[in-house]
Amino acid sequence: NAGVMQNPRHLVRRRGQEARLRCSPMKGHSHVYWYRQLPEEGLKFMVYLQKENIIDESGMPKERFSAEFPKEGPSILRIQQVVRGDSAAYFCASSPPPRGAADTQYFGPGTRLTVL
Amino acid sequence: KQEVTQIPAALSVPEGENLVLNCSFTDSAIYNLQWFRQDPGKGLTSLLLIQSSQREQTSGRLNASLDKSSGRSTLYIAASQPGDSATYLCAVEGGSEKLVFGKGTKLTVNP
Repeated sequence: NAGVMQNPRHLVRRRGQEARLRCSPMKGHSHVYWYRQLPEEGLKFMVYLQKENIIDESGMPKERFSAEFPKEGPSILRIQQVVRGDSAAYFCASSPPPRGAADTQYFGPGTRLTVL
Repeated sequence: KQEVTQIPAALSVPEGENLVLNCSFTDSAIYNLQWFRQDPGKGLTSLLLIQSSQREQTSGRLNASLDKSSGRSTLYIAASQPGDSATYLCAVEGGSEKLVFGKGTKLTVNP
């Protein structure tokens, strides 16, 4: 069973471009979470999705950021018109349903976004 | 709002030493607490998960304790090895399925 897969692993964008980050959860997992780790900061929750539904987006910046988890295919985190402050490591995690107190989230290797 | 603090921010020890990493959280209404390991440029590996009804968990040389009432957890690493060098992250879940992380403790074990 392959782990959580994220691509690309490294992404370089110029200011004003769009960044698309992909996450394929572990087989059988239908819950996906995105976290952002800014330099010298801890990981911060961004959004929690289930297939075709956004469950909690309380950590998403109000503008330029969006996320989806379609019925088929990977989850996508999209950042429009990137700025230098978006440079960070973006981690995806997944978990199976139903999820209990003893179940962890499984993390991918992350996508490191650099905005020039 | 839940806040998680980890002390110390960095720790350097000689090989073979036993050590303790500390984690504190402000809201005791947690679902579980987890300790993760993060290697440079890599993702997170779950080390131990303690449910809110539990007091401790053990895996090999690692032991994690939880005192929910005081908002504290410790990760004890016995007989440290150079391969233990990494950043250790503490995270709590409050039942909303989102983890709140501390900034981590960067551990260096010197041979």
